[in-house]
Amino acid sequence: GQNIDQPTEMTATEGAIVQINCTYQTSGFNGLFWYQQHAGEAPTFLSYNVLDGLEEKGRFSSFLSRSKGYSYLLLKELQMKDSASYLCAVLDSNYQLIWGAGTKLIIKP
Amino acid sequence: GAVVSQHPSRVICKSGTSVKIECRSLDFQATTMFWYRQFPKQSLMLMATSNEGSKATYEQGVEKDKFLINHASLTLSTLTVTSAHPEDSSFYICSASDTPGTFSGANVLTFGAGSRLTVL
Repeated sequence: GQNIDQPTEMTATEGAIVQINCTYQTSGFNGLFWYQQHAGEAPTFLSYNVLDGLEEKGRFSSFLSRSKGYSYLLLKELQMKDSASYLCAVLDSNYQLIWGAGTKLIIKP
Repeated sequence: GAVVSQHPSRVICKSGTSVKIECRSLDFQATTMFWYRQFPKQSLMLMATSNEGSKATYEQGVEKDKFLINHASLTLSTLTVTSAHPEDSSFYICSASDTPGTFSGANVLTFGAGSRLTVL
């Protein structure tokens, strides 16, 4: 079966750095997405990785290793507004998005 | 950027009634739209994929006669929950892509703001 694993919940301090990991086992791979979802709202796009390596976009960076079936989302200079769930999703060989259950990130002052 | 409008954002209805949720792409033509359901503290569950002008493709376990999907134009898809029951209470989210089938990467899917359905 297809599976996306990410931690259920993480806690970090304002101003610090946090890394949210995602491992996947899917039938084929056509890219990995990270989305941010605030409580009661729809997900918003953060990043897309299809090649190995690090993609940096402001305070957020996303890393992919296809051989290891692994990705992480790195958030720097954490702000209180970063408190949200972060969803990892993989596009499989049929171009269907497989979603992880999300990681709830709690930021403390 | 691409915008998807979803309406209503919240709806409360009595058991046995039907509820229609609309999903509109405002500044692009959405060849394909996706409908998801999300229960509290759980991930998005794809319910169905709709392509303009053709029948929707439902995921396993989703009753097509209960969740009616109509994608009549390139900017509008509707989800109708027929004879709603309390167990249908959930957060329903639509998303749209302007590319059928093959995705190209960044901003592939634009999500609507979601509709929270409460069935009494």
